[in-house]
Amino acid sequence: GNSVTQMEGPVTLSEEAFLTINCTYTATGYPSLFWYVQYPGEGLQLLLKATKADDKGSNKGFEATYRKETTSFHLEKGSVQVSDSAVYFCALIRTSGSRLTFGEGTQLTVNP
Amino acid sequence: NAGVTQTPKFQVLKTGQSMTLQCAQDMNHNSMYWYRQDPGMGLRLIYYSASEGTTDKGEVPNGYNVSRLNKREFSLRLESAAPSQTSVYFCASSESWATNEKLFFGSGTQLSVL
Repeated sequence: GNSVTQMEGPVTLSEEAFLTINCTYTATGYPSLFWYVQYPGEGLQLLLKATKADDKGSNKGFEATYRKETTSFHLEKGSVQVSDSAVYFCALIRTSGSRLTFGEGTQLTVNP
Repeated sequence: NAGVTQTPKFQVLKTGQSMTLQCAQDMNHNSMYWYRQDPGMGLRLIYYSASEGTTDKGEVPNGYNVSRLNKREFSLRLESAAPSQTSVYFCASSESWATNEKLFFGSGTQLSVL
C-alpha cells in the first residue's frame, strides 16, 4: 500500500539556520506529493505540492523537489524564522480521487 | 472568513460515555472528512462524505459513526468511548472528492477518555 515516512523529530534550530526535513514515500505509479503545515493551535494547511517527477513546489520560502529515483520529497528552507515553528506533514495521493496518505509529522522549533 | 469550525475544542469523557463532535464549513464544499491525529502516526482518516447524502469508511472507522446533516455540517459520534479513542480529531473539507489533496482543516478537538 501507499506510505509516507518522515524523519524523526523534534527538530530544533536557531533563527536563520538551514532547514531540511526528510520525506520518503512508497507508492505505485506516479503519486502527487504535498507538504502540509500545522501551526500551534490550528488545523493543517497546504504548504506546497508537486505533481510529477522533478517538479519543485515552493511557498513562503520553503521548497521541495519530487525525486522519483530516490522516492523522496524533502522540505528545505534557507533561513528559518521563529514563526516557522510548527508541525510539518508530508503526504501523497496516488491518483486524483484516491485517499490522501499522511506521514507522521515532524515538529520544528526555531529559537531566537 | 470562518472556514471550517469544530466544536468543542476540548472534551474529557469517561469510558462508556457518548458524545458528538460537530463540524461546519462555510466554503460551499462538497466533501468533508474526519481525521484523528495520534503521536507518531500522522493523520488517519476515520470517515468521509464525498458529497451530501453519502458517507464512507476510512482507515479507522471502528467505534465511530457519522452524519452528513446537510452540505455544511458533518458530525462524528462516539457511542461508547474507549481510552483508545483519546486523540486529537480534525474535521476537513474540500471542493470535491476529486480535489481532496487540497484540504481545509478545522482547529481540532482534543479528546481524552479516562
